[in-house]
Amino acid sequence: AQKITQTQPGMFVQEKEAVTLDCTYDTSDPSYGLFWYKQPSSGEMIFLIYQGSYDQQNATEGRYSLNFQKARKSANLVISASQLGDSAMYFCAMRESGTGRRALTFGSGTRLQVQP
Amino acid sequence: KAGVTQTPRYLIKTRGQQVTLSCSPISGHRSVSWYQQTPGQGLQFLFEYFSETQRNKGNFPGRFSGRQFSNSRSEMNVSTLELGDSALYLCASSLTDRLATNEKLFFGSGTQLSVL
Repeated sequence: AQKITQTQPGMFVQEKEAVTLDCTYDTSDPSYGLFWYKQPSSGEMIFLIYQGSYDQQNATEGRYSLNFQKARKSANLVISASQLGDSAMYFCAMRESGTGRRALTFGSGTRLQVQP
Repeated sequence: KAGVTQTPRYLIKTRGQQVTLSCSPISGHRSVSWYQQTPGQGLQFLFEYFSETQRNKGNFPGRFSGRQFSNSRSEMNVSTLELGDSALYLCASSLTDRLATNEKLFFGSGTQLSVL
């Protein structure tokens, strides 16, 4: 079974509008962390936001917020007031503490295109 | 503070050759991990090094190897290249080797390897 599922291969959004990128995950580990990374065409993976499994509140970082629904095992990224520079691939990733491994497991990504 | 630096940016090799990729982590970071990114398989963990010791290894054949030097710089080597090794190879660094769910990885821009 996929550990991280991103069901939207591609998304379009108008500049200045908000957009939600979906991410669902599968784990039986009670302690885990969820990350979102942005990958522009340059290739570099840029950290956006983090949510811990025990965090009571949804994470926010500037225009990025994470809609964390633990019971549904979803961690959707919300980008408010989209900008042209937000056009990129977006990856959801997870680290489970019980595995003893620090490696991140990534989803397949969502390509976001912001239209003027 | 300089980010993660990967060299070279692009590389073209032929089947059967070997290749060495280099990664310089963020100053002060002691953990370096490598990921392979392909359109078909997505992002997959290769291995992680801390203090010159391999800590974890992903599910890749023995043709893929790596090492870390005392200054935390890391190299990965792929021997007997196959067409399927064509990929973007991303290096990431982090400050510690703690198994903390919230430890961020900082990625470089990657080396795009093409095997002909």
